[in-house]
Amino acid sequence: NAGVTQTPKFQVLKTGQSMTLQCAQDMNHEYMSWYRQDPGMGLRLIHYSVGAGITDQGEVPNGYNVSRSTTEDFPLRLLSAAPSQTSVYFCASSYSEAETQYFGPGTRLLVL
Amino acid sequence: QKEVEQDPGPLSVPEGAIVSLNCTYSNSAFQYFMWYRQYSRKGPELLMYTYSSGNKEDGRFTAQVDKSSKYISLFIRDSQPSDSATYLCAMLSNDYKLSFGAGTTVTVRA
Repeated sequence: NAGVTQTPKFQVLKTGQSMTLQCAQDMNHEYMSWYRQDPGMGLRLIHYSVGAGITDQGEVPNGYNVSRSTTEDFPLRLLSAAPSQTSVYFCASSYSEAETQYFGPGTRLLVL
Repeated sequence: QKEVEQDPGPLSVPEGAIVSLNCTYSNSAFQYFMWYRQYSRKGPELLMYTYSSGNKEDGRFTAQVDKSSKYISLFIRDSQPSDSATYLCAMLSNDYKLSFGAGTTVTVRA
């Protein structure tokens, strides 16, 4: 099993550009989530999904969109990038929201 | 005030020393307590998981929970250079909200 994979590993954007961060898992997990990690702030939940076709907002959802068309994939879209979105983004998955989450390797995003 | 407070460190110890990491929390709804280890430029990985007050051991690692004081700890015995990482505490409430501490960076010097 590859576990949780994320692409790209690193991305530089200009303010106002859009992009999609990809996340995939091959463990047949129903629950998937996106976090951002900033110095001194810990991991903060952006959006999550409890199954295909179902998504919901986390703690810091503004500026991000998600969709879940398949069990395996959970892309995160930045509609119009802002410097405040410079961060490291982690995708995680688990069998359910009550179970241990497995994290991907992260995407480092720099918005200029 | 954050729901989960964690000493930011950084912490630097000699090889073989005991590492002590702590978190406090304010939300009584937290029922499950976890410690994640995160190596530089990697994703967090679960180290230990417990749901009751008391101690839980796994090799050189001991997780301690005191629900009455809203305080959790992680102890690493006989620390090794390979233990150098950032350690994140995390807590899951009974409505499945997961909250993380900011993380403590630990360096074990050979």
